[in-house]
Amino acid sequence: DSGVTQTPKHLITATGQRVTLRCSPRSGDLSVYWYQQSLDQGLQFLIQYYNGEERAKGNILERFSAQQFPDLHSELNLSSLELGDSALYFCASSTSGGAGGDTQYFGPGTRLTVL
Amino acid sequence: AQSVTQPDIHITVSEGASLELRCNYSYGATPYLFWYVQSPGQGLQLLLKYFSGDTLVQGIKGFEAEFKRSQSSFNLRKPSVHWSDAAEYFCAVSTSYGKLTFGQGTILTVHP
Repeated sequence: DSGVTQTPKHLITATGQRVTLRCSPRSGDLSVYWYQQSLDQGLQFLIQYYNGEERAKGNILERFSAQQFPDLHSELNLSSLELGDSALYFCASSTSGGAGGDTQYFGPGTRLTVL
Repeated sequence: AQSVTQPDIHITVSEGASLELRCNYSYGATPYLFWYVQSPGQGLQLLLKYFSGDTLVQGIKGFEAEFKRSQSSFNLRKPSVHWSDAAEYFCAVSTSYGKLTFGQGTILTVHP
């Protein structure tokens, strides 16, 4: 158990819908990262938040957005869902803002299926 | 831009045999390198990491990896594989702000 929690574990929805994925980091961690794992793209970095502020952005679609709240939990919002958004979404947390060598601890993931 | 290549998509070994999973990276500065393991339906678990210093790093579950700057490699090894090691293994490089760039992964199958 990494100490990172993600809810829900599974999510099934229809095209065009909007969903919210939730992540609680390990106690004391200030950074939250979101990754997408799909068969065709592999594991891809989406976005990072540090202490409530966006720190880095990766291959995140404009239909996707995220935020980190004062209690440090984070939410990833996916809207206008398409079939291709079906994937496993991971959240990870780390102690500091990154600095390259910061170890990231991963949650169990949320499996999103878009029908 | 940084990248990671894992040349072997799938490796099969017999239980008790030695294992080496290959990883090559491309990054302009000193790399921070990681190996993670993902069991079916599970999240990613950190096996080991290299930041600096000794180029041979020890990890959990009996794994080790050797950083070779001249070959831009960070291969993962285990002297004797157990059936419970069957999983998918990911090599990753960390860049500024800690963002991880992953390889495509290597699926390990262990035969009894």
